[in-house]
Amino acid sequence: GDSVTQMEGPVTLSEEAFLTINCTYTATGYPSLFWYVQYPGEGLQLLLKATKADDKGSNKGFEATYRKETTSFHLEKGSVQVSDSAVYFCALILTGGYQKVTFGIGTKLQVIP
Amino acid sequence: GAGVSQTPSNKVTEKGKYVELRCDPISGHTALYWYRQSLGQGPEFLIYFQGTGAADDSGLPNDRFFAVRPEGSVSTLKIQRTERGDSAVYLCASRGQGSTEAFFGQGTRLTVV
Repeated sequence: GDSVTQMEGPVTLSEEAFLTINCTYTATGYPSLFWYVQYPGEGLQLLLKATKADDKGSNKGFEATYRKETTSFHLEKGSVQVSDSAVYFCALILTGGYQKVTFGIGTKLQVIP
Repeated sequence: GAGVSQTPSNKVTEKGKYVELRCDPISGHTALYWYRQSLGQGPEFLIYFQGTGAADDSGLPNDRFFAVRPEGSVSTLKIQRTERGDSAVYLCASRGQGSTEAFFGQGTRLTVV
């Protein structure tokens, strides 16, 4: 079946450090890929998405590129802030038909001043 | 409404009791999902509606769990004979026709004591 594997946390970084959270996927079809973020005490929010190979999703300084050859969608940010502290979930949905969203286990990021 | 609304936001119930959790999706969204999120885990798929019918209920853990969406809008997740292991945050999401993006509600935190 479809699955998403992402690096386990927690990840602790100093402010202004570079962030990478790895995500790889297995899909029976052709998926759209997402990163969702969950800030403390809040619901899941879509951070960015990419719907086809080589697309780059970006938002709030975060980026991720859809790499079909490596089945990956790694999340990056050049300079993290304390306000980026949250749990980040990689997810996929197969395009077409009746499909569910499949999530990774989440990676907790803590940014310290 | 502007977003996905879930009620109640918190529910404490005694073991063995019956509970209902409600989800109001974004107006016009045909797809509706229920997920369960335990502490430190990613959202776990429960059931997916397309319109009034359950297109995929493979994630329901057992026959104590049931969900309906009689008019293709509001959905209710029903849990019979609750157990302490049912304690989790129950998330609802909706998605528009032809879109890959799912919008999540704030969730209902269920605690079974």
